[in-house]
Amino acid sequence: QITLKESGPTLVKPTQTLTLTCASSGFSLSTTGVGVGWIRQPPGKAPQWLALIYWNDDKRYSPSLKSRLTITKDISKNQVVLTMTDMDPEDTATYHCARRHIDSNGWYVDAFDVWGQGTVITVSS
Amino acid sequence: DIVMTQSPDSLAVSLGERATINCKSSQSVFDNPNRRDYLAWYQQKPGQTPKLLIFWATTRASGVPDRFSGSGARTDFTLTISSLQAEDVAVYYCQQYNSVPYTFGQGTKLEIK
Repeated sequence: QITLKESGPTLVKPTQTLTLTCASSGFSLSTTGVGVGWIRQPPGKAPQWLALIYWNDDKRYSPSLKSRLTITKDISKNQVVLTMTDMDPEDTATYHCARRHIDSNGWYVDAFDVWGQGTVITVSS
Repeated sequence: DIVMTQSPDSLAVSLGERATINCKSSQSVFDNPNRRDYLAWYQQKPGQTPKLLIFWATTRASGVPDRFSGSGARTDFTLTISSLQAEDVAVYYCQQYNSVPYTFGQGTKLEIK
């Protein structure tokens, strides 16, 4: 069974750095084609894609947040880590990690088929 | 950024009737080398995470009932539920994955009339 689970602080102060960990199971981060991304969803709003890291360590970032984001992976621990600097109350949201979809024909799709339950992050002093 | 605009924002449909949700992208999400539209649809029920329904604009994900179908091309796409069931009450999102940043529509809330 493929699962993802996020962990991190629930409350962050403005200007602090947020570090989130995504623990994966049921698949390997080093398998060709695999990618894990981070997507956040403010309360009552649409999801917002943040970043994606691929099996070959290639990385993609949302340009508007790129200066604040770093995504890394640890294959031995089956973990993906996202750091976001200079947190602001507008960053309050549920943060999800999610796995990139690979279709039955082997095509890689940067849509997300397995999501973690998410971790609620509140930014407040 | 490619802006995804869904219509309507909310929709009420009777059980057994057809539901249609539209998604328009500010630029084409068609990839010429692969000859595919890089467009996905998700369903999000209250208190749950988004569930992938459709990718490549028209391909149903594994386990998705065949009453869900996707259509469209380039910039105009549609998600159709052919016969609405009670369990289909949810918010539906489109997402383009043609170019970074990958972007979602604002969502369409589907309810029972």
